[in-house]
Amino acid sequence: QSVLTQPPSVSGAPGQRVTISCTGSSSNIGADYDVHWYQQLPGIAPKLLIYGNNNRPSGVPDRFSGSKSGTSASLAITGLQAEDEADYYCQSYDKSLSGSYVFGTGTKVTVL
Amino acid sequence: QVQLVQSGSELKKPGASVKVSCKASGYTFTNSNMNWVRQAPGQGLEWMGQISTNTGNPTYAQGFTGRFVFSLDTSVSTAYLQISSLKAEDTAVYYCARVNWYFDLWGRGTLVAVSS
Repeated sequence: QSVLTQPPSVSGAPGQRVTISCTGSSSNIGADYDVHWYQQLPGIAPKLLIYGNNNRPSGVPDRFSGSKSGTSASLAITGLQAEDEADYYCQSYDKSLSGSYVFGTGTKVTVL
Repeated sequence: QVQLVQSGSELKKPGASVKVSCKASGYTFTNSNMNWVRQAPGQGLEWMGQISTNTGNPTYAQGFTGRFVFSLDTSVSTAYLQISSLKAEDTAVYYCARVNWYFDLWGRGTLVAVSS
């Protein structure tokens, strides 16, 4: 059972801006652990999209940005493109239960 | 080339066992822990646990104790996931991933299907 909650789906027209929220608690995001984001295209392994709350690995377009505040984080996609249609997951660390990595519930982004 | 190469899909009967391999190349295997992630059909990502590539010490997430075993062969830079007493609900894609707080390198995944 995921401890990080995301909206099941978001959608937008090409060129628009969409945001995905990731809500945690005082034992994970609120405990100052970083949040990371992954993009999973259909039938493909997840790919690191944002690390350390707001850093992009080499090759990730600057249309993708991340932020974190309190017990939540957000991923923003500006200038939405057709190839951005995918599932997106946040991830952090949780200090309860002897410590563990945790993933969000996942959000399907649909480009209208 | 930095990559994780996983073994191929498996079809098993309930009660059988399966061993999935994950071979690392292009980086120093013992510099990062190896993690395993499960994705059931149509579902999200679920962290199964990790194994220290330095000590071989495994850590299992809740729900993945008992039938799940992580192991290593550092001589060939390979991590293994063994699942025993397979059940239909074990049907999923299993990913290995290199982790340093975040999952920066993923294998392509191994589909394990359990059906009579």
